Amino acid sequence: GIQVEQSPPDLILQEGANSTLRCNFSDSVNNLQWFHQNPWGQLINLFYIPSGTKQNGRLSATTVATERYSLLYISSSQTTDSGVYFCAVERDVQAGTALIFGKGTTLSVSS
Amino acid sequence: EAGVAQSPRYKIIEKRQSVAFWCNPISGHATLYWYQQILGQGPKLLIQFQNNGVVDDSQLPKDRFSAERLKGVDSTLKIQPAKLEDSAVYLCASAHRISYNEQFFGPGTRLTVL
Repeated sequence: GIQVEQSPPDLILQEGANSTLRCNFSDSVNNLQWFHQNPWGQLINLFYIPSGTKQNGRLSATTVATERYSLLYISSSQTTDSGVYFCAVERDVQAGTALIFGKGTTLSVSS
Repeated sequence: EAGVAQSPRYKIIEKRQSVAFWCNPISGHATLYWYQQILGQGPKLLIQFQNNGVVDDSQLPKDRFSAERLKGVDSTLKIQPAKLEDSAVYLCASAHRISYNEQFFGPGTRLTVL
């Protein structure tokens, strides 16, 4: 089955720093989403980005589908950015369309 | 627009007991998913519905887990009997259609089996 690998597994930053999280996937996908899981366990949708670049405030994401990777950029990080960031891909419809998640990147931002 | 609703938020049971979780998807969303998230891992699919039909239940432990979506709207997931390894967060997600679209997740039910 499709493999989703995220790096780095852990990231520790000072408030105000920038960071880049990477997601590699092993096969073509219909869809790619980035989520932030807050300390209460809620998965917050950040981006729906099967290809191209999107920006939302201090966050932006780029997916290069032909090269099978996606990047999530966090600029001027804040303590509220702490949590786990998941990349998830949607498989081909014939295999069911559930999301396949990576293991996540745990981000800790200190003041 | 209301999000995906789940209840209960927390549940503690003894092993071999039964438990049920409820999910109400975003209005108009035809596709509904149940995922299991074990501590330290990403969520993994248990079962996918399209309206009231099952699309994918290949990873559902059918000897103890069951799920239904009788009227094509809300859904229940049941575990009977529960095992220690079922301790996890159970997440419900919905999407407008079956493919090429964004999935939205509920707050989850945190199950502890003692």
